[in-house]
Amino acid sequence: DMKVTQMPRYLIKRMGENVLLECGQDMSHETMYWYRQDPGLGLQLIYISYDVDSNSEGDIPKGYRVSRKKREHFSLILDSAKTNQTSVYFCASSPGQGTERLFFGHGTKLSVL
Amino acid sequence: GDSVTQKQGQVTLSEDDFLFINCTYSTTTYPTLLWYVQYPGQGPQLLLKVTTANNKGISRGFEATYDKGTTSFHLQKASVQESDSAVYFCALPPSNTDKVVFGTGTRLQVSP
Repeated sequence: DMKVTQMPRYLIKRMGENVLLECGQDMSHETMYWYRQDPGLGLQLIYISYDVDSNSEGDIPKGYRVSRKKREHFSLILDSAKTNQTSVYFCASSPGQGTERLFFGHGTKLSVL
Repeated sequence: GDSVTQKQGQVTLSEDDFLFINCTYSTTTYPTLLWYVQYPGQGPQLLLKVTTANNKGISRGFEATYDKGTTSFHLQKASVQESDSAVYFCALPPSNTDKVVFGTGTRLQVSP
């Protein structure tokens, strides 16, 4: 069953708290991504991971870091969350670099108060 | 770099209306062009793609065409249903970079 799973679906944090968003995929895809989606801005790429411990900054990496220790898991970490990081975060995976079809999770709605 | 632009932020239609969404692109090549759809509460998913070979893609009643002359591509459906309410993203596949380039999306609201 081809699936990208994100946990949690909803999260409320206070400014300054640390945040961990987790993503898993069951397709053995090499490449995984973290995006955030905000009204009027579409999907903005935060990080790309090409495989275990092979991560690269996307377009808006500031304030975020990632961890990929297993091919099927990719985590997004916000150290000391800020209110402007309130957003919907999507994880995606694809079979390799440069592929056009991304498989997205259902998203995590993060509110930083 | 490559880019896509969607000027229509929102489109509101009634059931059985004709849908037309426009997107313009900028790239140094004649690429494959993509449409993604995002239903409420879900992540985006690939709806269809248009290649230079056929200039047209069809999926789930949607038709996508593109016009090299005006560097634009369009998504059409003859008769929309309430279940088509979603956000539609045009996109360019990875070329010089490893990332899909997404537009900002067009929200389609279809009322019964």
